[in-house]
Amino acid sequence: NAGVTQTPKFRVLKTGQSMTLLCAQDMNHEYMYWYRQDPGMGLRLIHYSVGEGTTAKGEVPDGYNVSRLKKQNFLLGLESAAPSQTSVYFCASSSDLTYPAGYTFGSGTRLTVV
Amino acid sequence: SQQGEEDPQALSIQEGENATMNCSYKTSINNLQWYRQNSGRGLVHLILIRSNEREKHSGRLRVTLDTSKKSSSLLITASRAADTASYFCATDAKGAGANSKLTFGKGITLSVRP
Repeated sequence: NAGVTQTPKFRVLKTGQSMTLLCAQDMNHEYMYWYRQDPGMGLRLIHYSVGEGTTAKGEVPDGYNVSRLKKQNFLLGLESAAPSQTSVYFCASSSDLTYPAGYTFGSGTRLTVV
Repeated sequence: SQQGEEDPQALSIQEGENATMNCSYKTSINNLQWYRQNSGRGLVHLILIRSNEREKHSGRLRVTLDTSKKSSSLLITASRAADTASYFCATDAKGAGANSKLTFGKGITLSVRP
């Protein structure tokens, strides 16, 4: 099925470890996004990309890095994980915000940092 | 910072009743969107309303937008138990960086009792 695929779905990290979350979309969308969702906080934008080779900071970028080397993939990296990064991470993609279809979201990655 | 703020935070109704959820935002927008999130899943796009539109319908959903009050409402008619979910409004703000990212509210938890 067409859509946004996130890997892994679950991960437990120790403080200081690093990891990369992968997001892949097969809809030829230009825009891709990484959000984190915490209880009572809604979704907050970490980083986003408006096209292959571009990235930009969102609302809460500290402690994260991203890369968009291929149009279909958007990687989110944690260089040195901290307990404050325990969250559910969602990737999304869109062709254009004026298009009525809106964002397509992945199913999320639940990350726990101990 | 949250652009959209939903109200109420939680809503419990009986199956068959209508559910009304409200969203207020702070800055001028290009469009406003509503999303649904079932427990443990990603968000699903429901409907988009542009700043020059006042009302839109999609099945049992009715969305209104009042740009003078910077507010929107989502009405779900004849609710069903399957409508139990969290609902988020999201805004595409005008200005620098617009048409490239959405800002989400904290969400409304809707419970529909059978």
